[in-house]
Amino acid sequence: GAGVSQSPRYKVAKRGQDVALRCDPISGHVSLFWYQQALGQGPEFLTYFQNEAQLDKSGLPSDRFFAERPEGSVSTLKIQRTQQEDSAVYLCASSSVETTGSYEQYFGPGTRLTVT
Amino acid sequence: QQQVKQSPQSLIVQKGGISIINCAYENTAFDYFPWYQQFPGKGPALLIAIRPDVSEKKEGRFTISFNKSAKQFSLHIMDSQPGDSATYFCAASRGSSNTGKLIFGQGTTLQVKP
Repeated sequence: GAGVSQSPRYKVAKRGQDVALRCDPISGHVSLFWYQQALGQGPEFLTYFQNEAQLDKSGLPSDRFFAERPEGSVSTLKIQRTQQEDSAVYLCASSSVETTGSYEQYFGPGTRLTVT
Repeated sequence: QQQVKQSPQSLIVQKGGISIINCAYENTAFDYFPWYQQFPGKGPALLIAIRPDVSEKKEGRFTISFNKSAKQFSLHIMDSQPGDSATYFCAASRGSSNTGKLIFGQGTTLQVKP
């Protein structure tokens, strides 16, 4: 079946611009995560949704970062007034908590954001 | 605060050899420990995972060894192949939390020479 998809795959933004990154999780997965991966580093947690509820946004680095999942499926990560330090790969992952009770998270290919 | 420490940062192994990557964690509440494989330009792919109630799990050429008392776990890749050349990440999560968010190590770049 289809995996997690993300769009766009690459985004170049000028400093100060707003960007929106989209994630389509695996169909039926209730849990959705956003991670930020800086070059040469491991992914770092940003935020978590269970269906449409944002249950954890402790990893969002500033109030310029905003995420939503209004209908419990597709999610959008929005970054306002982008800064150079926002340059990274943004990864989306989804998980089903209803099947095995385990915590496997399946990642999309990521969106590489470059802020110039 | 880095809760999961991974070593080595890079590793070169000959084809057919054993690749070993180690991780140490701090939070004793962690109860799920996956390993991910990532190729350039791709997202991390789940390789194998273990829970603390077992000391070892094997899937094909990949084995996780888990030492709860030492708060350490490791990935062993037997009969390493050039196609295994990738970056490997260990991770941990606390399932009893309401998020299950993963805390990742810094990654190990593995190169398998033919």
